[in-house]
Amino acid sequence: AQSVTQLGSHVSVSEGALVLLRCNYSSSVPPYLFWYVQYPNQGLQLLLKYTTGATLVKGINGFEAEFKKSETSFHLTKPSAHMSDAAEYFCAVSEGTGGFKTIFGAGTRLFVKA
Amino acid sequence: DTGVSQDPRHKITKRGQNVTFRCDPISEHNRLYWYRQTLGQGPEFLTYFQNEAQLEKSRLLSDRFSAERPKGSFSTLEIQRTEQGDSAMYLCASSPRLAGGPRTGELFFGEGSRLTVL
Repeated sequence: AQSVTQLGSHVSVSEGALVLLRCNYSSSVPPYLFWYVQYPNQGLQLLLKYTTGATLVKGINGFEAEFKKSETSFHLTKPSAHMSDAAEYFCAVSEGTGGFKTIFGAGTRLFVKA
Repeated sequence: DTGVSQDPRHKITKRGQNVTFRCDPISEHNRLYWYRQTLGQGPEFLTYFQNEAQLEKSRLLSDRFSAERPKGSFSTLEIQRTEQGDSAMYLCASSPRLAGGPRTGELFFGEGSRLTVL
């Protein structure tokens, strides 16, 4: 069975500071990993994804994440936070083959202080 | 590409009433998913379709819940005899069929239908 754990339900950073949102996963098969972002009153949208190949993946708005199999982690980072990054972020995992049922973490709300 | 649309966006109902939500996926997407999201939680998988076939249902989906996708296009999610615990955001997502190669699993979400059961 797959599962996702996001460490920290709330993260607060200053504008211009590093953003680090933590995600650990569990999967019995090689996983596909995703980060989605949800802005207030909007649907979830994909930030980035890891399927196969390069373990460092880049997404929209300057975000990137690194797949570390040995640590079962897929942490999300951004070198310099912007006020517009304030949102809820969800890490998700799905099986690389078969049904593609995607399992989401509980989410981390990012606050950006001026 | 008009995106995934859901209707209604908000529904307030009394306990015991039936409600139905509709989802129109992106037209070329053959997979359609329903999720439920409560405050402070991530989306919880409910069920998904490939074309008109319902391939998997979560144990969360009690027998009061039924989903259909009769022609492989739009889908409906019906909740019968609603309970206060059904209050949540119901999310629909679709994913594309790729021409050759593996699926990537990316989901395209609608804005959700918020249900409040009084």
